[in-house]
Amino acid sequence: SQQGEEDPQALSIQEGENATMNCSYKTSINNLQWYRQNSGRGLVHLILIRSNEREKHSGRLRVTLDTSKKSSSLLITASRAADTASYFCATGPYNQGGKLIFGQGTELSVKP
Amino acid sequence: DGGITQSPKYLFRKEGQNVTLSCEQNLNHDAMYWYRQDPGQGLRLIYYSQIVNDFQKGDIAEGYSVSREKKESFPLTVTSAQKNPTAFYLCASSLLTGGPTNEKLFFGSGTQLSVL
Repeated sequence: SQQGEEDPQALSIQEGENATMNCSYKTSINNLQWYRQNSGRGLVHLILIRSNEREKHSGRLRVTLDTSKKSSSLLITASRAADTASYFCATGPYNQGGKLIFGQGTELSVKP
Repeated sequence: DGGITQSPKYLFRKEGQNVTLSCEQNLNHDAMYWYRQDPGQGLRLIYYSQIVNDFQKGDIAEGYSVSREKKESFPLTVTSAQKNPTAFYLCASSLLTGGPTNEKLFFGSGTQLSVL
């Protein structure tokens, strides 16, 4: 079964606006990762946040993790049309033998 | 260039036919993975391998088979037992230095499999 659930499923914004995507998961985790996928392509790793971290930044990306609520958020600031893609969270639960489990993704559309 | 190469990009399967998807990496990664992605859906794990000559079933292994005879290669066979094989298949690899779930995955560009 899927570990991560993203919200919203789809998001449409104007260039320059911020985009926030949320991910909830069910079991205890080692870390949580965010990936990006352009249509018809493979996924690209964006950022990894460990279970003992609360916030992490990478360029225009900001990721938060709340282990008490079993949730994470990805914020993209000052979005660009090139940010249009699907974004997935992936978690590494303790009891899954090393498997990384992906959510269903948020489809982001940034209009110029 | 280092990376993961999947081939072919598009593949068509006839009824009752087995087809094999290729995945090769030159990143010297120990672990390799196969995921299936259906339209508008997330990725589901088919098989994964952390060492040569060993592999583990994922969540949806039925109707699929793999081999890991070389560190660089992890081919996936979609057998005739897989009744709904139409999907986008993604291969990935990772290091295992920090543990299997503590390393980022590097993905290939995918193979779109369709049924004729």
